[in-house]
This record gives sequence, structure tokens and C-alpha cells, in this order.
Amino acid sequence: DAGVIQSPRHEVTEMGQEVTLRCKPISGHDYLFWYRQTMMRGLELLIYFNNNVPIDDSGMPEDRFSAKMPNASFSTLKIQPSEPRDSAVYFCASSPTWGTGRSYNEQFFGPGTRLTVL
Amino acid sequence: GQNIDQPTEMTATEGAIVQINCTYQTSGFNGLFWYQQHAGEAPTFLSYNVLDGLEEKGRFSSFLSRSKGYSYLLLKELQMKDSASYLCAASTDSWGKLQFGAGTQVVVTP
Repeated sequence: DAGVIQSPRHEVTEMGQEVTLRCKPISGHDYLFWYRQTMMRGLELLIYFNNNVPIDDSGMPEDRFSAKMPNASFSTLKIQPSEPRDSAVYFCASSPTWGTGRSYNEQFFGPGTRLTVL
Repeated sequence: GQNIDQPTEMTATEGAIVQINCTYQTSGFNGLFWYQQHAGEAPTFLSYNVLDGLEEKGRFSSFLSRSKGYSYLLLKELQMKDSASYLCAASTDSWGKLQFGAGTQVVVTP
């Protein structure tokens, strides 16, 4: 089975440009999470969805960031306009529903998108 | 506020045992996860504890004390491939939201 798929794997852009990161979760998983990882701040949760509905976006840094999940197999994280401080590795993760024969909902991470904003 | 603390780095020799401690203070708690992350790769799940006590899984064991807000990950019979960052994460709601610690870099030397 394919794991979580993210694209692009690397993105280099200039300050002020729009950046769109894409994620395909594991089929059948009901939860999708977007994280950002930097040396300074570690792994931070930005937003997560359950059944395509945003549940908690309190980690989204500011209005320049937006995320959508139009269907169960696709999500995007958009940054507009991008700034150098947005440079980080962005991970998407998915997990199955808690309690469906499971005592916990382990998150499966995609390979990440390394974003560099010049 | 929410706080998860773990040591920054630990070094041990091949074949030895290392214990990585994690203390947490969160507004909600629904279990404690440990993830492993090799350099340049994504985190991968290692263990989960929700009840007090020790969970053993091969060379890796994880312990939880809810009353003390404390967990540890025990790595036995260390191998070179165990050199990685180990992330402690508290589940803070019933939906599976995770708050991660900064990670402990374990360096295994020959």
C-alpha cells in the first residue's frame, strides 16, 4: 500500500510568491494533519482535518497560511505571500479513526516538502 | 501552558542501553507517543502509552506515569541504525492532536 504522498519534495521560491503544497493521505484514513518542522521550533501542528472538515487551525501562523481538503484523498497547504521565515520542512500525516478496533490512532507521516523562501 | 521537555542529545555505545526521559504538562492528555526520526526523513511511530506502566516491544520499551507527567523510552542492545532523533508527543484531545517535544538526538558510537 502506498503511504502518504506529498508533492513537491523540494520547493525553492522567492519572497512574495505563492506556494502550494499537496498531500494525498493513506486511503481509508479519516484524519489529516499538516505540520511544520524547523530547527528552532521543532515539529509544530498547523491544522488538522477529520472527514475533510477542519477541526483545529490554531497552529496556523497567520492569515498568509490556508489549508483545504476538498475530498478524502487530497489536501493543500497554501502560503501567500511567502516569506523567508516560512522556510521549513512541511509534513503531512494521516491516521485512521480512533476506536475502530484500535486503542490509539498512530499518525503516518509523508516524506515532507522542504521549502526554501529566498 | 503546554510544555514537553526532553534532553537535547544523548550518546551511547553500540550494545548499550539508553533511557530517554520526557516530562509533559498539557491542558488535556489522552496518551503519550514516541516517534523516531532519522536525519532527512519523516517521523515514524514507535510506541504508545495511555495507562501507567511499561510497554515492551522488542528492543524498545516505553513507560508512563500519568500522576508524575513522566515517560521514558528505553532502547536496549543499541545498534548503529538507532542513531536518530526521538520525539516525545502528548495527545492532547480525543481527536488525536499531538504536541511534540523538541526531540532527543541519540548518537550511537562503535
